[in-house]
Amino acid sequence: EVQLVESGGGLIQPGGSLRLSCAASGFIFSDYKMNWVRQAPGKGLEWVSYISSSDSTIYYAESVKGRFTISRDNAKNSLYLQMNSLRAEDTAVYYCAREIVPAAHFDSWGQGTLVTVSS
Amino acid sequence: DIQMTQSPSSLSASVGDRVTITCRASQSISRYLNWYQQKPGKAPKLLIYAASSLQDGVPSRFSGSGSGTDFTLTISSLQPEDFAIYYCQQSYSTPYSFGQGTKLEIK
Repeated sequence: EVQLVESGGGLIQPGGSLRLSCAASGFIFSDYKMNWVRQAPGKGLEWVSYISSSDSTIYYAESVKGRFTISRDNAKNSLYLQMNSLRAEDTAVYYCAREIVPAAHFDSWGQGTLVTVSS
Repeated sequence: DIQMTQSPSSLSASVGDRVTITCRASQSISRYLNWYQQKPGKAPKLLIYAASSLQDGVPSRFSGSGSGTDFTLTISSLQPEDFAIYYCQQSYSTPYSFGQGTKLEIK
């Protein structure tokens, strides 16, 4: 069974840093592209970042570019999101999601981890 | 960047009703369109990918159609468990983008 489990969320002050992790199991992690998607409280879904299976290709949403860094460790079956210079508007539940072809759809999602940026 | 617009934003319907949700892209995205269902406190669940392909395990009352800029998600006969928020998502190019969501409520 495919399983994605996020961790690392919490309460952080504006300007602070946080590193999210996503532990993958039940599939060959190194074969799959991965994404982070977030959802602010009571709001819709916002795509955050993409990383290819070998981490050779990375993309970011404009809202996080220069502040967030996506990475992966295929040996540890783990995906990461390093978040720096956090702002109140980064407050959200962060989901990791596995990407599948065709049409680059997200067929498996974690349960999410809540990041709250507040003083 | 590609903008996705869903309509309606909310919809009231009864069990057994046929419901259609529309998603429009700001430019052609071929068939790179996916639909997700989200229930309160839960992660989104994939329903339809590549505009019309039904994800494994999803009931056949869900269907998708469209190409280019206009897409629809249809639920042929609403069941109690279908009351949720539905999102479309384009995967034609990054930044991937989602529609604002359609909240399907019980009438």
